[in-house]
Amino acid sequence: KAGVTQTPRYLIKTRGQQVTLSCSPISGHRSVSWYQQTPGQGLQFLFEYFSETQRNKGNFPGRFSGRQFSNSRSEMNVSTLELGDSALYLCATSSGDSYNEQFFGPGTRLTVL
Amino acid sequence: GEDVEQSLFLSVREGDSSVINCTYTDSSSTYLYWYKQEPGAGLQLLTYIFSNMDMKQDQRLTVLLNKKDKHLSLRIADTQTGDSAIYFCAERDSGYSTLTFGKGTMLLVSP
Repeated sequence: KAGVTQTPRYLIKTRGQQVTLSCSPISGHRSVSWYQQTPGQGLQFLFEYFSETQRNKGNFPGRFSGRQFSNSRSEMNVSTLELGDSALYLCATSSGDSYNEQFFGPGTRLTVL
Repeated sequence: GEDVEQSLFLSVREGDSSVINCTYTDSSSTYLYWYKQEPGAGLQLLTYIFSNMDMKQDQRLTVLLNKKDKHLSLRIADTQTGDSAIYFCAERDSGYSTLTFGKGTMLLVSP
């Protein structure tokens, strides 16, 4: 069974630009959660999508948004990038019927210059 | 609110046991997790335990839970150099998907 895949793995952008990251879940998983990992703040929850609907949201500004497609693949978008958005963005997937086991992808490393 | 705390660093010799500690604050029905992160990689789920359990063992890993003190530990038996990584403790309210993580414990295993 293939694991969680995230694309791209690395990204360099400049301030003010926008970026879209993608997460493909394990086959059969319908829930996708996104996390931001930085040295200062650690791992912080962004949002969760299940069956194309946002089910839960963390405490991030509206510049951070996401969506989920009918095949459960999810994208997150960050608009008007700031230097502080430089981070490792991780997605985690689970069946959605149970959250007991959540599996993470390798992450997308975003650098904002 | 939820808060998970861990010690930041642990150094052991190969073959010794490692014990990584964590405290949590959520008092509702809770799942508690241990994840491993190697450099440049995502998080690997090692094991998890529900808050009504005291212990869980899985090969070299033993999780102990002290519910009264809200203290969780991960013991790695016969620690190997390949166990060198950052270990994250996390808690999750059973009604939600959100994982609340500690800052991580860096485990360094020397030969």
